[in-house]
Amino acid sequence: GEDVEQSLFLSVREGDSSVINCTYTDSSSTYLYWYKQEPGAGLQLLTYIFSNMDMKQDQRLTVLLNKKDKHLSLRIADTQTGDSAIYFCAEKTAGRRALTFGSGTRLQVQP
Amino acid sequence: DGGITQSPKYLFRKEGQNVTLSCEQNLNHDAMYWYRQDPGQGLRLIYYSQIVNDFQKGDIAEGYSVSREKKESFPLTVTSAQKNPTAFYLCASSTRGTSPNTGELFFGEGSRLTVL
Repeated sequence: GEDVEQSLFLSVREGDSSVINCTYTDSSSTYLYWYKQEPGAGLQLLTYIFSNMDMKQDQRLTVLLNKKDKHLSLRIADTQTGDSAIYFCAEKTAGRRALTFGSGTRLQVQP
Repeated sequence: DGGITQSPKYLFRKEGQNVTLSCEQNLNHDAMYWYRQDPGQGLRLIYYSQIVNDFQKGDIAEGYSVSREKKESFPLTVTSAQKNPTAFYLCASSTRGTSPNTGELFFGEGSRLTVL
């Protein structure tokens, strides 16, 4: 079955890089996503990666995918206080119509 | 502007009462979803609908009901049978089309339900 896991909390200093990790179990993943949730709001898509890619870079965001280990990471360069939020990884698999989400990682950026 | 609108944003309910959460989208998306969010548990799928007049149970459908009479609307009813209804409820939509279809979900701002 599908299972997506993340650590619950990460604290970094402003200007440092943040790395948020995610592991998943379903090898039939087609797309993997990173969503951002600000307090009291819905989720916004940050970026996604197709499962046949190893890396995707989009401005300050770098996504790395290790399909062999079923490991996904999101690196945020030069982390700012506005990056403080909950970050969810999610996967789309061949056998499921809806996305499966992880538990979310709360990123706290200290000035 | 195109988007998803959920209402109400905050809702209080007494035990034993049913309550309906509204979700409307003007993105012309075929598929719509309801997720429940609890602290530290991420998002869990309640119901989803791929097309008008059709919907399927998700992972935690017990105590909930939905309807999909119009493409734009996918209301969720939290019934008195739901044992622990206090949560943050998120509605989402997506396209069903062929490539490029990344499966991306577009979310509303959420409705927070508190049972007193």
